[in-house]
Amino acid sequence: NAGVTQTPKFQVLKTGQSMTLQCAQDMNHNSMYWYRQDPGMGLRLIYYSASEGTTDKGEVPNGYNVSRLNKREFSLRLESAAPSQTSVYFCASSRDTGGYTFGSGTRLTVV
Amino acid sequence: TQLLEQSPQFLSIQEGENLTVYCNSSSVFSSLQWYRQEPGEGPVLLVTVVTGGEVKKLKRLTFQFGDARKDSSLHITAAQPGDTGLYLCAGKPSNQFYFGTGTSLTVIP
Repeated sequence: NAGVTQTPKFQVLKTGQSMTLQCAQDMNHNSMYWYRQDPGMGLRLIYYSASEGTTDKGEVPNGYNVSRLNKREFSLRLESAAPSQTSVYFCASSRDTGGYTFGSGTRLTVV
Repeated sequence: TQLLEQSPQFLSIQEGENLTVYCNSSSVFSSLQWYRQEPGEGPVLLVTVVTGGEVKKLKRLTFQFGDARKDSSLHITAAQPGDTGLYLCAGKPSNQFYFGTGTSLTVIP
């Protein structure tokens, strides 16, 4: 009964370093999403994937790349981290028309 | 500017009180959802409403979708400390859901 699993849970990066946030879901959902959550800004969509093999930009895609590796996995990559990317990152999945199931988040600090 | 405005931003009440939080927009939504998020966790879906004027109840929580499908409210009756959390609304104007900034509710025992 795992749902959506995100790794790592916490990460500290230095400016300019790169890293990949991993996300996997076991609910056979077609759609997957990456959001960032910042105080006073709510959840903002970074990228989404409506189905295996497709990805699209959301509201705030700059500085990020994604890969839909297969139906289960959707990763988010920061090529050169900046302090402005300090945030809590959430992965979510959904059936085509249903509600979202979220992971428990990755807390990223860029110093 | 936010597509969805939630009010109030913060709310602190005593156990047993009633409360209403609001989610407003100038956009029309094909559907609207409410989530609750606890500290250190991801949001959890509470309800989805799709029809203008629709009312759904979940135990002590009552959700209403506006007739014009531009706004929604969440009413909690006899709040309990377990209701404490961040309440988020999310509206779908086209292909994706957009989230409001949330109402942070604290219920004091």
